[in-house]
Amino acid sequence: IQMTQSPSTLSASIGDRVTITCRASQSISSWLAWYQQKPGKAPKLLIYKASSLESGVPSRFSGSGSGTEFTLTISSLQPDDFATYYCQQYSSYPFSTFGPGTNVDIK
Amino acid sequence: EVQLVESGGGLVQPGRSLRLSCTASGFTFGDYAMSWFRQAPGKGLEWVGFIRSKTYGGTTQYAASVKGRFTISRDDSKSIAYLQMSSLKTEDTAVYFCTRDSYYYYMDVWGKGTTVTVSS
Repeated sequence: IQMTQSPSTLSASIGDRVTITCRASQSISSWLAWYQQKPGKAPKLLIYKASSLESGVPSRFSGSGSGTEFTLTISSLQPDDFATYYCQQYSSYPFSTFGPGTNVDIK
Repeated sequence: EVQLVESGGGLVQPGRSLRLSCTASGFTFGDYAMSWFRQAPGKGLEWVGFIRSKTYGGTTQYAASVKGRFTISRDDSKSIAYLQMSSLKTEDTAVYFCTRDSYYYYMDVWGKGTTVTVSS
């Protein structure tokens, strides 16, 4: 299953609403996770099952979608949110695949 | 605190072998499947392989790019998962992460990673 993300890079300001789109090459129901990764660090789980917020993750992060199209939204961008975001399908677990990533940087 | 710590990375020549370890703490290691992922320099994330819990047979699956060269095992008495890598290629150069696989198949805990560089 191939995953795509758009945009590949996103420039935004503090307080902006940010939306990242992830598409699957075939239906994956809601078996989608979102991760945040900062340089030199491990990915951090944000969202699982497309829209469930991982414990401890700020509520400004939300996920939606099912089937082949999904979105990650940050309602009000904070300084700690500048990072790369990856979607991952686990419908074909353990053969999961990731999107190429979206880099969110400072405008 | 739930934690995974990878170790064993380093510089290795093409064709040689290396074994990575993933030491778990803060949870009942034997209850979980464990996966390995990698990230080549400046690239995205790639699934490498996984091992089921002993409850589900402890069986393994691998990505096509490493099948036949890499072997995953586990020692539940020590809370360690291993990634044995042989016949290493330059394209295996990456940061290798281990993960705890949640009961619902997403990766809820990641280690910080260990760097493997394959070069002559």
